Amino acid sequence: DAKTTQPNSMESNEEEPVHLPCNHSTISGTDYIHWYRQLPSQGPEYVIHGLTSNVNNRMASLAIAEDRKSSTLILHRATLRDAAVYYCILRDSTDSWGKLQFGAGTQVVVTP
Amino acid sequence: SQTIHQWPATLVQPVGSPLSLECTVEGTSNPNLYWYRQAAGRGLQLLFYSVGIGQISSEVPQNLSASRPQDRQFILSSKKLLLSDSGFYLCAWNGGTYWGEQFFGPGTRLTVL
Repeated sequence: DAKTTQPNSMESNEEEPVHLPCNHSTISGTDYIHWYRQLPSQGPEYVIHGLTSNVNNRMASLAIAEDRKSSTLILHRATLRDAAVYYCILRDSTDSWGKLQFGAGTQVVVTP
Repeated sequence: SQTIHQWPATLVQPVGSPLSLECTVEGTSNPNLYWYRQAAGRGLQLLFYSVGIGQISSEVPQNLSASRPQDRQFILSSKKLLLSDSGFYLCAWNGGTYWGEQFFGPGTRLTVL
């Protein structure tokens, strides 16, 4: 599976935007970019995914570079409830098993 | 709506004892099911996945095994626990979407002493 690189941690003030980068230089044409987040002592939850175009949903926005070798998850206004580990994952759409390979993720700290 | 259950929520077991963790999914049929383990301070490691009854694939060699006796039931087992088996065990199922969103259960926190 293609791999991703994320910073270990990022800090933000409450109600400010958070930009979480992810590098995936070996991404293939069939890889979707998925983001999950994991709150303390809970299982991960899906945040957003994209293939080539930027995406928005109620939780976040995903900006994908034109060459697809990097992407950025944007939390528009961080709240204390957004403090979590955020995982950037490449999912091969041709993999019928639907496996996900999690890396270490980025720990987001939100300060009041 | 679909729901995923795991039990027990927490477990403390001595080294060398057996293990059985159960995961069940409600509200769907023929899901893909997954077992992950998260060691303290680490990311999730995929252990097993299953696409149907009796069909189990292992991602990494280890002291654990998995079984799927029923369509919506996934069991993680061990005959003899090791200290290194401690961790947070998570079960997940695929949401049936084309992009493969996975839904995770509440997890079982296992401590082996």
